[in-house]
Order: sequence, then C-alpha cells, then structure tokens
Amino acid sequence: NAGVTQTPKFRVLKTGQSMTLLCAQDMNHEYMYWYRQDPGMGLRLIHYSVGEGTTAKGEVPDGYNVSRLKKQNFLLGLESAAPSQTSVYFCASSYGGRGTEAFFGQGTRLTVV
Amino acid sequence: AQKVTQAQTEISVVEKEDVTLDCVYETRDTTYYLFWYKQPPSGELVFLIRRNSFDEQNEISGRYSWNFQKSTSSFNFTITASQVVDSAVYFCALSESPTSNTGKLIFGQGTTLQVKP
Repeated sequence: NAGVTQTPKFRVLKTGQSMTLLCAQDMNHEYMYWYRQDPGMGLRLIHYSVGEGTTAKGEVPDGYNVSRLKKQNFLLGLESAAPSQTSVYFCASSYGGRGTEAFFGQGTRLTVV
Repeated sequence: AQKVTQAQTEISVVEKEDVTLDCVYETRDTTYYLFWYKQPPSGELVFLIRRNSFDEQNEISGRYSWNFQKSTSSFNFTITASQVVDSAVYFCALSESPTSNTGKLIFGQGTTLQVKP
C-alpha cells in the first residue's frame, strides 16, 4: 500500500533552472494538494486540485505551476528556480473536501543555490 | 481570516512526564474542522485526529488526549507519560471556509517536542 509517493526525495538546483516534482497516489482520491514547509511557518498551500483536469491557486502560488492530467498524478513545476523556493515540499491527497483527512507523501527537500 | 497559532515553538520534557501542546484558532465560520498531525524525524505527516465544531467532547486515545473548547477557541493536545518515540513536530490545522469544499488546510507553525530518556 504505497499511499502518496513523491519523486524525487532530494534535489539541488541552480538559480534559474527548472524542474518538476511528481506526486502519485494509489487511493483513488479526488483531491490533491501541494504544500511547502518552511521553518517557523508551518505548511502553506501552493496549489491544489479538486479532480482530474482541474487546478487552482493556493496561498503561495507565485513561481509554481501544476498539472493534473491523470487522477492519480499531480505535478508541481518550477519554471525558473529562485533561492526563496528552497523548502520542503509535501504532496497530499484526500478522498473528499472539507473535513476529510489528508494523506501526505514523505516530502521533497529542494535546495536552490 | 482563518488562522492557527501554536505559540510553543519547542518543548523539551523528560520521559514519563505529561506534556500539553497548545493550539488556538481563529475563524468566523460556525462549521469547521480541526486536525492534529505528527511529523516524526522521518519527515512524513501522520494524521492523529479530526474534530468538527459541533462536537466538543474530549477525545482520548491511549496516551493521547485532546481538549476542544470553543469558548476559548482552543484545541489542545496532551501526551500522558511521554516516550522518546513521541519526539516529533506536531501541527494543528483548521479546515477552510464552508463556502467552498476544497479540503484546504490552514496549519499552525508547529511545535517541536523533544522527549529525553
């Protein structure tokens, strides 16, 4: 039972480089989310999706893009990485909306130098 | 606006001590949900409990207990007889507005709990 799987686990980027973080869930969940975790700030929502083919902005969307072409996958892209995007990124999924528990991946630690 | 505050940044206790992690929330909604998640050193977030705004009953699960008080907008978490394995970062979270149904969560800053042997 894999749950939510994030790829890669670690990555170092140079400023200006691009990359894509992949999130895959095998629980047939409709809702998926990307959060970033920074010291002293908890987790903040970047983008989310309420179903296949849908995406929406969260609290801190600038500098990121997402796609949900398949129900089980949610991709987070950084077009031109900046040092301010150094963070730990978490993907999560849930079977319903408000009030349902979210299941989280193990995180991706990204460093932009 | 919705907000969650965990004023305790770090707590250190000795094994077998009881410890309470505070969570204070702000919301104008009458219907909302509160959550606690645990983040052990391995990094993933683990769901601990969900409570809806209509249920103020306290919850106990083994050594864990939760005290929900709407009058003070608090949802505190107590670990009785703490163990080294309880060392982790603990997050309190609030569900978003009922006008949408997206499942978005507003997280507190987190409290790092260190339990020393």
